Amino acid sequence: DAKTTQPPSMDCAEGRAANLPCNHSTISGNEYVYWYRQIHSQGPQYIIHGLKNNETNEMASLIITEDRKSSTLILPHATLRDTAVYYCIVKGSQGNLIFGKGTKLSVKP
Amino acid sequence: EAGVAQSPRYKIIEKRQSVAFWCNPISGHATLYWYQQILGQGPKLLIQFQNNGVVDDSQLPKDRFSAERLKGVDSTLKIQPAKLEDSAVYLCASSLKQGPLNTGELFFGEGSRLTVL
Repeated sequence: DAKTTQPPSMDCAEGRAANLPCNHSTISGNEYVYWYRQIHSQGPQYIIHGLKNNETNEMASLIITEDRKSSTLILPHATLRDTAVYYCIVKGSQGNLIFGKGTKLSVKP
Repeated sequence: EAGVAQSPRYKIIEKRQSVAFWCNPISGHATLYWYQQILGQGPKLLIQFQNNGVVDDSQLPKDRFSAERLKGVDSTLKIQPAKLEDSAVYLCASSLKQGPLNTGELFFGEGSRLTVL
């Protein structure tokens, strides 16, 4: 079973920041949090991952709470092409990704 | 850099027939995964290979599904006989390393969509 919980859907206005929350209250000390997204009819695409510190790359920022029980993915200026299902994942014991149902983000003009 | 290649992209078969999917991972990637994604759900891991050995196949329905990765490169996933509930997208992914401490990302192919009638 997935170790994370996410809202099933969210809306965001184009050009605004999209903040996608994720709860992972059972995460252990050495487990990373990963975010992937899946655009319709494509395979999942890696976005970002983090352990304790906040992380930023060209796609997004990841904010992890101090107790590591939750995190937020931030898309700073959402575009219509960011409409996708976003998955927050903590790896399984074999290092594999266990996906939940994710959050369906709809960016609206 | 070439991505993960999968074929065929689409396949329609009748129940009780057989089907095979092929995956060519990114060159040099030791770990290969097959996922099943049913419409409206997240991908579900079927099997994980490290080189040509199986690391995890606990979710693979072994009475009808089989997978192999001969020579530790390409992989095939076979379903025989197919059932209606096997209708799904079959995703192949690869990564450079394996294990719970591996922070390397997974690269996914575009998937093979199976419809069983």
